[in-house]
Amino acid sequence: NAGVTQTPKFQVLKTGQSMTLQCAQDMNHEYMSWYRQDPGMGLRLIHYSVGAGITDQGEVPNGYNVSRSTTEDFPLRLLSAAPSQTSVYFCASSYSNSGVNTGELFFGEGSRLTVL
Amino acid sequence: GQNIDQPTEMTATEGAIVQINCTYQTSGFNGLFWYQQHAGEAPTFLSYNVLDGLEEKGRFSSFLSRSKGYSYLLLKELQMKDSASYLCAVTDSNYQLIWGAGTKLIIKP
Repeated sequence: NAGVTQTPKFQVLKTGQSMTLQCAQDMNHEYMSWYRQDPGMGLRLIHYSVGAGITDQGEVPNGYNVSRSTTEDFPLRLLSAAPSQTSVYFCASSYSNSGVNTGELFFGEGSRLTVL
Repeated sequence: GQNIDQPTEMTATEGAIVQINCTYQTSGFNGLFWYQQHAGEAPTFLSYNVLDGLEEKGRFSSFLSRSKGYSYLLLKELQMKDSASYLCAVTDSNYQLIWGAGTKLIIKP
């Protein structure tokens, strides 16, 4: 019963390096999203997708790219890492009703990223 | 702008009752969620309110007043395992979730 699987759990990067955070879900959810969580702040939406081939920007998309080639996978790419991207990243999915997020999100375990 | 306010931290005693408040100002409203997040773990869904009133689920209850932009999460018979952060989130007119910063609940024996 995997649910939402994120890798890696921990990563240290140097400024300017690129990397991809992987996210996969096995619940056939149409809606998938990436959040970052920083101390003292609410979860902030980076990018989201309401189905394969469809992606859109959230509140803080700069410096990140996503793609959704299949229903199951939603990778997040950091193009050129900056110290401001040090954070905990969560992938989340939910059942989508007519293309909108129904709100009950299932989260991956999180990826803790440090950029030096 | 959109805003969700909840207390930063609360302390309660094992076996007692605690109420965590959440006030919100958002562009549109399509439901309010409460999530629980233990330290170092992912948030997990607790409750959902879209109509005014109280929703009860075991030891946890959630209340909503849409006219006041207000919700609370009530935890009864507190257990040590309830020590966690509790996140309030509102679905806005675009069906995106707006999150509060969370309330860290500390349970003392």
